[in-house]
Amino acid sequence: DIQMTQSPSSLSASVGDRVTITCRASQSISNYLNWYQQKPGKAPRLLIYAASSLQSEVPSRFSGTGSGTDFTLTISSLQPEDFATYYCQQSYSTVWAFGQGTKVEIK
Amino acid sequence: EVQLVESGGGLIQPGGSLRLSCAASEFIVSSNYMTWVRQAPGKGLEWVSVIYPGGTTYYADSVKGRFTISRDNSRNTVYLQVHSLRAEDTAVYYCARIYYHSSGYYFIDYWGQGTLVTVSS
Repeated sequence: DIQMTQSPSSLSASVGDRVTITCRASQSISNYLNWYQQKPGKAPRLLIYAASSLQSEVPSRFSGTGSGTDFTLTISSLQPEDFATYYCQQSYSTVWAFGQGTKVEIK
Repeated sequence: EVQLVESGGGLIQPGGSLRLSCAASEFIVSSNYMTWVRQAPGKGLEWVSVIYPGGTTYYADSVKGRFTISRDNSRNTVYLQVHSLRAEDTAVYYCARIYYHSSGYYFIDYWGQGTLVTVSS
């Protein structure tokens, strides 16, 4: 099965900072990569699908890049509502997998 | 408005069984890919299982042989039957709808609120 590894596991940043989260697949997944945001006590929310396509109503400060095994999620200017945990997820194989998550905390 | 409402969670002893339900509204479960995702307390998301519109099912290795996903078209409901429960199965179990985008990509667009399963003696 395909394993997904995110880095870092957590980070501290300030409002207005540019934040980058990386996700690596254990084998090539083309661009079958989604990103979700989760806030405490809530279900996750889709941000990006197909590695770089922004889901409707998601702010344009979120962007995704990558293909093959290496992917990134970038928040261009961190806002107070962006402090949350972010997960990548591959939909390439019939058995899906999530990364372990990256918690973005306030510095 | 699309809604997914899970039920059936609770406290269960190791080795026990439960059936989790996910009632859907405003869309037809049998025409969609439906999935279960779980999250242990304080931990990350773990994909559990999927059922395709045609009835094909897949499972994570950690639950294969112990969990069964199914649906009742007349009730527009998806189920997750869980057997031989272990302490490590303790988690919030989310039911979710998978959207198939016309470009050929799959992603989760709607989630339920989750139901907590606690496995403990």
